Amino acid sequence: AQSVTQLGSHVSVSEGALVLLRCNYSSSVPPYLFWYVQYPNQGLQLLLKYTSAATLVKGINGFEAEFKKSETSFHLTKPSAHMSDAAEYFCAVSPTINAGGTSYGKLTFGQGTILTVHP
Amino acid sequence: ETGVTQTPRHLVMGMTNKKSLKCEQHLGHNAMYWYKQSAKKPLELMFVYSLEERVENNSVPSRFSPECPNSSHLFLHLHTLQPEDSALYLCASSQVSGSRYGYTFGSGTRLTVV
Repeated sequence: AQSVTQLGSHVSVSEGALVLLRCNYSSSVPPYLFWYVQYPNQGLQLLLKYTSAATLVKGINGFEAEFKKSETSFHLTKPSAHMSDAAEYFCAVSPTINAGGTSYGKLTFGQGTILTVHP
Repeated sequence: ETGVTQTPRHLVMGMTNKKSLKCEQHLGHNAMYWYKQSAKKPLELMFVYSLEERVENNSVPSRFSPECPNSSHLFLHLHTLQPEDSALYLCASSQVSGSRYGYTFGSGTRLTVV
């Protein structure tokens, strides 16, 4: 079984400030972890992913995330927020093996965090 | 064209209409998904097709009927919908064995039921 919890449905930052979006996961097997971004009336776009290589993962648009096994966390950060970062962000987890008889790599999504950036 | 393409982007339909949403991918993926995204609600997985076989149907009302004629195309047939079915419908695709790659999403169809 796997699940994802995103702490904070809304996060507001000033332009130029640090962005920190929190994600904690629960998985019975070692996970793959993902962050997706969704702009209004668009689909989800992959920002970055952890697939058991380096624990610090760099993604697009200056975002990065660190996998911390001891804390079961995969928080998303960006040193300096830009107005264009305003969007909804989703954390997702997938098992490294297809457990439970599924024939596909099932992603489980968090509830999303809406990021607002103030000028 | 690459990626996952959904048509139409916007759809307004009456409760007695029949319409279909289309999803097409040219990524060589062999699993496809329909999600429903309503305002202030989590993403809802509706259907999963893996190798053209439906493998998951998450208690979706029968007024939604999926079809996957081949690994590149996915349809969602709609009939006698309700206003609460208004939402953004997202299609995604992935490799069957590739959970490490995640999903690729289309831009969605914004459905309004009047």
